Amino acid sequence: AQKITQTQPGMFVQEKEAVTLDCTYDTSDPSYGLFWYKQPSSGEMIFLIYQGSYDQQNATEGRYSLNFQKARKSANLVISASQLGDSAMYFCAMRPWRGGANNLFFGTGTRLTVIP
Amino acid sequence: DTGVSQDPRHKITKRGQNVTFRCDPISEHNRLYWYRQTLGQGPEFLTYFQNEAQLEKSRLLSDRFSAERPKGSFSTLEIQRTEQGDSAMYLCASSLAPGQGDEEQYFGPGTRLTVT
Repeated sequence: AQKITQTQPGMFVQEKEAVTLDCTYDTSDPSYGLFWYKQPSSGEMIFLIYQGSYDQQNATEGRYSLNFQKARKSANLVISASQLGDSAMYFCAMRPWRGGANNLFFGTGTRLTVIP
Repeated sequence: DTGVSQDPRHKITKRGQNVTFRCDPISEHNRLYWYRQTLGQGPEFLTYFQNEAQLEKSRLLSDRFSAERPKGSFSTLEIQRTEQGDSAMYLCASSLAPGQGDEEQYFGPGTRLTVT
């Protein structure tokens, strides 16, 4: 079974500062992908960044980077230079790479508030 | 715009009524997923289609729920005899099948169901 844990229900960050959102996961699948999504109040899940379990380097996408520590089973999201528009819910998700649905398993989310 | 669309965006219904939601995926995507998101939780997988075939259903999908994708394009999710516990955001996502390229799941804006 897959389990995604996000221990921070809410986080605050000053505008222009960096913030780290924590995510740990548990899986018995040897191959998997890790994702971060942003969900603003409108409800749509917006893909931010992806990390494959066999990728040697941490993924980066603009101001987003994923701090992947496979041995610790953690996949923290780092947002640099926070902007007011970053205020939203952030979800960590995992997808095992095997036959079948390949559906996403999500954590409970972290609500990020950027303070001007 | 060629993103995933869902209709309606909001639905209020009385307990015991039937409701139907529609999802239009990205046109070239052959996989379509339905997720349910309750308050304070991340999305949970309900079911998925590859083309017109429904290949997997979660245990969350009770007998009152039925999903179709008759021509392999749009999909409908019907809930019969709605209960208050069905109140949630219903999210649709689409992707290509494994091995066909970018397998990222793209989400629609969701349908928020309120059962009174």
